[in-house]
Amino acid sequence: NAGVMQNPRHLVRRRGQEARLRCSPMKGHSHVYWYRQLPEEGLKFMVYLQKENIIDESGMPKERFSAEFPKEGPSILRIQQVVRGDSAAYFCASSPTVKNSPLHFGNGTRLTVT
Amino acid sequence: GQQLNQSPQSMFIQEGEDVSMNCTSSSIFNTWLWYKQDPGEGPVLLIALYKAGELTSNGRLTAQFGITRKDSFLNISASIPSDVGIYFCAGQGTYGGSQGNLIFGKGTKLSVKP
Repeated sequence: NAGVMQNPRHLVRRRGQEARLRCSPMKGHSHVYWYRQLPEEGLKFMVYLQKENIIDESGMPKERFSAEFPKEGPSILRIQQVVRGDSAAYFCASSPTVKNSPLHFGNGTRLTVT
Repeated sequence: GQQLNQSPQSMFIQEGEDVSMNCTSSSIFNTWLWYKQDPGEGPVLLIALYKAGELTSNGRLTAQFGITRKDSFLNISASIPSDVGIYFCAGQGTYGGSQGNLIFGKGTKLSVKP
């Protein structure tokens, strides 16, 4: 039973470029979440999506960041015009439809902005 | 915003020792979760707690959901070298956040005694 799959594992972008991070949830999971982790810190919530819907984006920066979870294919976290401060590990998690079920995390995408 | 205070920040273990760490919050939660994160990987769920006062074990790990719903502890008995890593507590629910909006502590880093 495959876990949450994220790719790429490492991504290097120059300032001003776009970063696209992909996440495929566990089989049977229809809820996807994105978190960001800075070095020596805990994870910080960004956005919660179900298929074709954004449920909670209270943790998303207002500009440059967007997320989608289309009917077919993986969830995408998109960062436009990246800046050095965007360098972090971005983790995706998924859960089944049961309310308050635990989140299962992928191994993350480490974004480095040069 | 919501915050979890996790302590200790770091600790050194010798094989065979028992380890204890805890999390406290000014807010109540519906669910407390404990995760372990190894370098370069995503957090792995260790224990989920759903009821105030609940005491749950997973092998050598034992965790409790505090009666006030504002705290939780994790104990590791008879530690072994592979217990090394960063342990995170996370709270879920009741403060108005969506089910995927977990609040994470800053982690307890377990290292081997030199």
